[in-house]
Amino acid sequence: DQQVKQNSPSLSVQEGRISILNCDYTNSMFDYFLWYKKYPAEGPTFLISISSIKDKNEDGRFTVFLNKSAKHLSLHIVPSQPGDSAVYFCAAKRDDKIIFGKGTRLHILP
Amino acid sequence: GAGVSQTPSNKVTEKGKYVELRCDPISGHTALYWYRQSLGQGPEFLIYFQGTGAADDSGLPNDRFFAVRPEGSVSTLKIQRTERGDSAVYLCASSPGLATRTDTQYFGPGTRLTVL
Repeated sequence: DQQVKQNSPSLSVQEGRISILNCDYTNSMFDYFLWYKKYPAEGPTFLISISSIKDKNEDGRFTVFLNKSAKHLSLHIVPSQPGDSAVYFCAAKRDDKIIFGKGTRLHILP
Repeated sequence: GAGVSQTPSNKVTEKGKYVELRCDPISGHTALYWYRQSLGQGPEFLIYFQGTGAADDSGLPNDRFFAVRPEGSVSTLKIQRTERGDSAVYLCASSPGLATRTDTQYFGPGTRLTVL
């Protein structure tokens, strides 16, 4: 049973536009959420996080929104740049471990 | 400073053989994690060390898998009697270990294990 779900395996966005990556979770006990970015042949790199007591966290071009009642979070990237092309993993912290979704591959089109 | 390093980067072995995968965490990080990423999946937690001791090994799939961190720094993941289903990328991560809930985990590049 997948506790963290990313239902879009891939997403294509024009350079300069907004990229929105979505994520749903099932466990209401999760209290900390993260987004990681992964390039081929590299390990995941931490991007941004949000505590469950907040509904928004912003860091430069990246903003994460959390809707606890819907058990949904999203990552907004604006404006999208070519270097943003990568696989993005949504994740939730439970105790000491990270529970990852399957990832969404983002393609930024020229 | 240096990030998390893992060796080898690739390992090809035959079914039934024994393999060891090594992880060098970021210097000073007391927490170390192992994850496994199968094709088309996100990383899955295997085991977590705080210092020398395994604080949580609930993700190890069976008793063929074992990990050690004898001096609280380098860790070795050991897989006995490998099976084709063990083929995956094995990722190691480390964090400062001060607050596991909010600490950022820094990942290494992984070891791609292929069992023929």
